[in-house]
Amino acid sequence: DGGITQSPKYLFRKEGQNVTLSCEQNLNHDAMYWYRQDPGQGLRLIYYSQIVNDFQKGDIAEGYSVSREKKESFPLTVTSAQKNPTAFYLCASSTQTGQETQYFGPGTRLLVL
Amino acid sequence: QQQVKQSPQSLIVQKGGISIINCAYENTAFDYFPWYQQFPGKGPALLIAIRPDVSEKKEGRFTISFNKSAKQFSLHIMDSQPGDSATYFCAASKGGSYIPTFGRGTSLIVHP
Repeated sequence: DGGITQSPKYLFRKEGQNVTLSCEQNLNHDAMYWYRQDPGQGLRLIYYSQIVNDFQKGDIAEGYSVSREKKESFPLTVTSAQKNPTAFYLCASSTQTGQETQYFGPGTRLLVL
Repeated sequence: QQQVKQSPQSLIVQKGGISIINCAYENTAFDYFPWYQQFPGKGPALLIAIRPDVSEKKEGRFTISFNKSAKQFSLHIMDSQPGDSATYFCAASKGGSYIPTFGRGTSLIVHP
């Protein structure tokens, strides 16, 4: 059963804390993405990766970091430098052509304590 | 700079009515135009997509109309149902680019 999984579903962050959101896909897709969703803002790109060991900043990368050590995995770390982290975070993947559909995970909602 | 402008931001329709959501783009290099449907607390999922070599694509109650000269495309939902209540995103991408450009979304509510 192919797809994208994200964990946890809910994540609470204390001030000054780094937290990591997990994203795993078994679709054999080369490209993976992280988006942030806020009400009325649509989907804003944080980081994307076209291949293993390579990733690029998106429109709102400040305060976030990623790694791509395996094709299947693209974790996102929300650092303490991100002052307004409360949002719904979506991971997605696609084939390499750029014209194809993006497949989204179920999302992680990050809340600040 | 928002390259894909989506309207309206919110839409309320009665059951059985037609829902229409519009998107306009600027980059003439775009050649793939998908629509995504997102239910509350879930990730978006592809609903229907079109390429610019056709002016219309229909899948069940959902139709995309595409106007290349006007650089506009729209989603029509016929016989709208309460189960269609969701947020809809249009997007555009071009071959060779891995990054689609999304509209800001339309929140659709269909009243029973």
